[in-house]
Amino acid sequence: QITLKESGPTLVKPTQTLTLTCTFSGFSLSTTGVGVGWIRQPPGKALEWLALIYWNDEKRYSPSLKSRLSITRDTSKNQVVLTMTNMDPVDTATYYCAHRPYDNIWGSYAFDIWGQGTMVTVSS
Amino acid sequence: DIVMTQSPDSLAVSLGERATINCKSSQSVLYSSNNKYYLAWYQQKPGQPPKLLIYWASTRESGVPDRFSGSGSGTDFTLTISSLQAEDVAVYYCHQYYTTPFTFGPGTRVDIK
Repeated sequence: QITLKESGPTLVKPTQTLTLTCTFSGFSLSTTGVGVGWIRQPPGKALEWLALIYWNDEKRYSPSLKSRLSITRDTSKNQVVLTMTNMDPVDTATYYCAHRPYDNIWGSYAFDIWGQGTMVTVSS
Repeated sequence: DIVMTQSPDSLAVSLGERATINCKSSQSVLYSSNNKYYLAWYQQKPGQPPKLLIYWASTRESGVPDRFSGSGSGTDFTLTISSLQAEDVAVYYCHQYYTTPFTFGPGTRVDIK
């Protein structure tokens, strides 16, 4: 059974750096093709994809946020860490991490299992 | 970026009736090497994360009731709930995972009439 759980601060001040951790179980981020992504959702608004890290440490970022984001993995701890610099009130959102499966026949799939999310408020 | 649009923004359907949600991508999400549309549908209820309903535009995720179906081709896709149940009240999002940046539609709210 695959599970993911996000953790991190619930409140950050403007200009600070946000660090979120996704701790997962039920799969390995060393398995060929597997990925873990981060997606956020401001209150009452739509989903926005932020970043993705693959089994081979390849990384992808939202172009609009690329200069502020960093995604890393620790395969020994089954964790993926997202760092976002220079936080602003508009970054107030629920942040989700999600599993992206893969198989040798069809390749990469849609995000199938999501964490419960962690709400981050940016305010002074 | 591939822009995803959805219509309507919201709809209210009587219990047992059909609900249809449309999604359009600004460019093709068809991967020619496997002939799959990289289009998914998610259901999100208040306070919950999105739940995957449909992937490859028409493949139902395991455990999803068969009243949910996906269809479409080209750049136009549809999610159909054949007989709306009370537990289907939610916001539904389409999503392209063909290329980064991955993008989501703005969502369609489904309520009971």
